[in-house]
Amino acid sequence: GAVVSQHPSRVICKSGTSVKIECRSLDFQATTMFWYRQFPKQSLMLMATSNEGSKATYEQGVEKDKFLINHASLTLSTLTVTSAHPEDSSFYICSAYRGQNYEQYFGPGTRLTVT
Amino acid sequence: DAKTTQPPSMDCAEGRAANLPCNHSTISGNEYVYWYRQIHSQGPQYIIHGLKNNETNEMASLIITEDRKSSTLILPHATLRDTAVYYCIVRVGSGGGADGLTFGKGTHLIIQP
Repeated sequence: GAVVSQHPSRVICKSGTSVKIECRSLDFQATTMFWYRQFPKQSLMLMATSNEGSKATYEQGVEKDKFLINHASLTLSTLTVTSAHPEDSSFYICSAYRGQNYEQYFGPGTRLTVT
Repeated sequence: DAKTTQPPSMDCAEGRAANLPCNHSTISGNEYVYWYRQIHSQGPQYIIHGLKNNETNEMASLIITEDRKSSTLILPHATLRDTAVYYCIVRVGSGGGADGLTFGKGTHLIIQP
């Protein structure tokens, strides 16, 4: 149990376009989902925290108008990178929090390349 | 959350025990020690966590010193699939909590055949 999926696993888009990444908890309901970003040879950096039905909380330095997060249900959160630029190319990873006494479970990640 | 210090890389022979150290000298009384690992180009995987007692599960053992200022993750019989970056994270509360995790640089463990 406790499986988290992401779609797509890889995406290539042109500069200026928008890309949507989905994060789903497949066998549990997630009260909270998190989005992380990882640049090559660097560690994961928390971007934002999203709770179902409410606005996401963004970490300092993360542009909320550029990285739109929607957490419409207890099993789905989406991250939309708007007007993507090459510097947005990165590995985006989500995690889902199941609730008290459970760990965060991570998705497999989405590799975004902006050309 | 308290800061952690880990060696950047370690080698271990396949079949031997891999011992990964972590220093967390500023840990507070209500902070737990967590270990995650990340295999190349995958999402992190939870391994184990503990407060002050040693812990063991099907993946690993966690040894925490009596003063709680350091800990060691032990993979008893390392295999090539254990090659990954291992992250030691100190945070308040068990059960993961509803807060995002702060990842340091971790230790790149390379299992040699």
